[in-house]
Amino acid sequence: QLQLQESGPGLVKPSETLSLTCTVSGGSISSSNYCWGWIRQPPGKALEWIGSISYRGSTYYNPSLKSRVTISVDTSKNQFSLNLSSVTAADTAVYYCGRHKRGGATKYWGQGTLVTVSS
Amino acid sequence: SYVLTQPPSVSVAPGQTARITCGGNNMGSKSVHWYLRKPGQAPVLVVYDDSDRPSGIPERFSGSNSGNTATLTISRVEAGDEADYYCQVWESSSDYVFGTGTKVTVL
Repeated sequence: QLQLQESGPGLVKPSETLSLTCTVSGGSISSSNYCWGWIRQPPGKALEWIGSISYRGSTYYNPSLKSRVTISVDTSKNQFSLNLSSVTAADTAVYYCGRHKRGGATKYWGQGTLVTVSS
Repeated sequence: SYVLTQPPSVSVAPGQTARITCGGNNMGSKSVHWYLRKPGQAPVLVVYDDSDRPSGIPERFSGSNSGNTATLTISRVEAGDEADYYCQVWESSSDYVFGTGTKVTVL
């Protein structure tokens, strides 16, 4: 059974960079035809797709966040990561990682991690 | 950017049928996925590609998509179905888009 687990700081200061890692177990992050994505949910708001990286390393970002987002993969550790720069309070959210096929649904999700942006 | 509109809330009595709509331009040409999210838990996929169910999801959950509206139908609603529900599509200009979310309350 594929499992994903987010990790990273729960508190980030405004203007700094939010960095999270998703560790994948029960399957290879290099599996063909899959993408690995990040989704977030601010308190009281809807889910928001942040971006994804394909098994080939191609990246796809939400146009509204594109200028601040970098997603990368480390196949040796079976992990992928999210960097979101110049954060503000509006970036406070529960951040989830997940697996999907390009254009397809996200069947596997991490449990989510709350990141608060505050000084 | 592409926008998906859902009703903020739907209330339904146990045993009855809940229908949650998701509106967007030319929805019928896209594949729609539906998720439920309960407080403190990760989202769960309940319908994908308009009307397919992942293994383990009860047949009470069904989906349809035509014209400008996709619909998630929950038959014989149970107390455990109370959750927030989100639709999602992949759209060429915006990539992935989620709907605004619908809170389902079981009376």
